[in-house]
Amino acid sequence: GGIITQTPKFLIGQEGQKLTLKCQQNFNHDTMYWYRQDSGKGLRLIYYSITENDLQKGDLSEGYDASREKKSSFSLTVTSAQKNEMAVFLCASSIRTEVFFGKGTRLTVV
Amino acid sequence: GDSVTQTEGLVTLTKGLPVMLNCTYQTTYSPFLFWYVQHLNEAPKLLLKSSTDNKRTEHQGFYATLHKSSSSFHLQKSSVQLSDSALYFCALVSNYNVLYFGSGTKLTVEP
Repeated sequence: GGIITQTPKFLIGQEGQKLTLKCQQNFNHDTMYWYRQDSGKGLRLIYYSITENDLQKGDLSEGYDASREKKSSFSLTVTSAQKNEMAVFLCASSIRTEVFFGKGTRLTVV
Repeated sequence: GDSVTQTEGLVTLTKGLPVMLNCTYQTTYSPFLFWYVQHLNEAPKLLLKSSTDNKRTEHQGFYATLHKSSSSFHLQKSSVQLSDSALYFCALVSNYNVLYFGSGTKLTVEP
């Protein structure tokens, strides 16, 4: 079976800092996603990509950039971290209707 | 655009009781609905999925029926267990295989 690896697992940043989160999948899936999950709440779509070098904005794209330079990897950049921001960022990949998630990167901004 | 609505944010039940978590959706495409479960500090995992109208789908004691007439896909279980305590998300896949999630329902099962 495949796996989605997100790095780092925990990320502590400072206000105003640019932070990059990475995601790798070995499913050979075409579509990849970044979701943000605030504590105990739903998942909001930040960016998705349907193939290498494709980028599509989700509902929460403001304040973020993304990059899909290879089919297997999808990175997310927080362009300017907001003070007291705390959230888990989940990467996912899919083929047809099967979606698989990574374990997440937990971001804390001090 | 596409959207999913879950009306209950928090549900607390005693072990052994039945549960129904509501999910309604809006889409202009042929609907494909999912339920995901997320236990504490884990990734969301697929629980159920369906695109067939009026057909019950079951897994691990949970079941749901897609009703296109009412745009609903409610999740049910006849007898909840302590291990069912988790976040439950209803989701809809759109035209480009993008998964849109509802806001989630936190289910807490008490002894």
